[in-house]
Amino acid sequence: DTAVSQTPKYLVTQMGNDKSIKCEQNLGHDTMYWYKQDSKKFLKIMFSYNNKELIINETVPNRFSPKSPDKAHLNLHINSLELGDSAVYFCASSQDQRATQYFGPGTRLTVL
Amino acid sequence: GQNIDQPTEMTATEGAIVQINCTYQTSGFNGLFWYQQHAGEAPTFLSYNVLDGLEEKGRFSSFLSRSKGYSYLLLKELQMKDSASYLCATGYSTLTFGKGTMLLVSP
Repeated sequence: DTAVSQTPKYLVTQMGNDKSIKCEQNLGHDTMYWYKQDSKKFLKIMFSYNNKELIINETVPNRFSPKSPDKAHLNLHINSLELGDSAVYFCASSQDQRATQYFGPGTRLTVL
Repeated sequence: GQNIDQPTEMTATEGAIVQINCTYQTSGFNGLFWYQQHAGEAPTFLSYNVLDGLEEKGRFSSFLSRSKGYSYLLLKELQMKDSASYLCATGYSTLTFGKGTMLLVSP
């Protein structure tokens, strides 16, 4: 029944490591997103994909690389993790770029 | 670019009515969204306005004035479970979120 799912829910890792977060949606939506929510709860767009194609890439370090194997999946790979990457990362999807977005449960990343 | 302002915190008592305001400046507009986010959870969609006026959905209503760049979310008959952060969001090809208004409902 889950509409937008993410794994893992929690991720604790050391500085310098590489990690991935997976996202899947079963809503048949064409557009998927990655957001970062920092400790001050500010929710900021990182990437947006439409039908597996990158359409939005905000000012994000190139250590972050999204990959969309098909339109139901959008994974986020992070290289050389830094302390400042600690945040909650939300995946979301929408029917198209202007429609209502539905969020996954979030992945709380802690970099030690 | 986008600029969205909303109050940081509000408090209210159970059973009361509260209005959360949002002002925005945007280079493109495709509607205004309100989301609710409980602590430790994902944002969930509450309402969407694209035309001026009031949209009512149960205890929650949302208002939009495009000429004033202004919206509000009205919550009636407040319940303890309404304690959450309320996020205003707008944009054109992508959404920009405000920093959220933390609403605390007390008995």
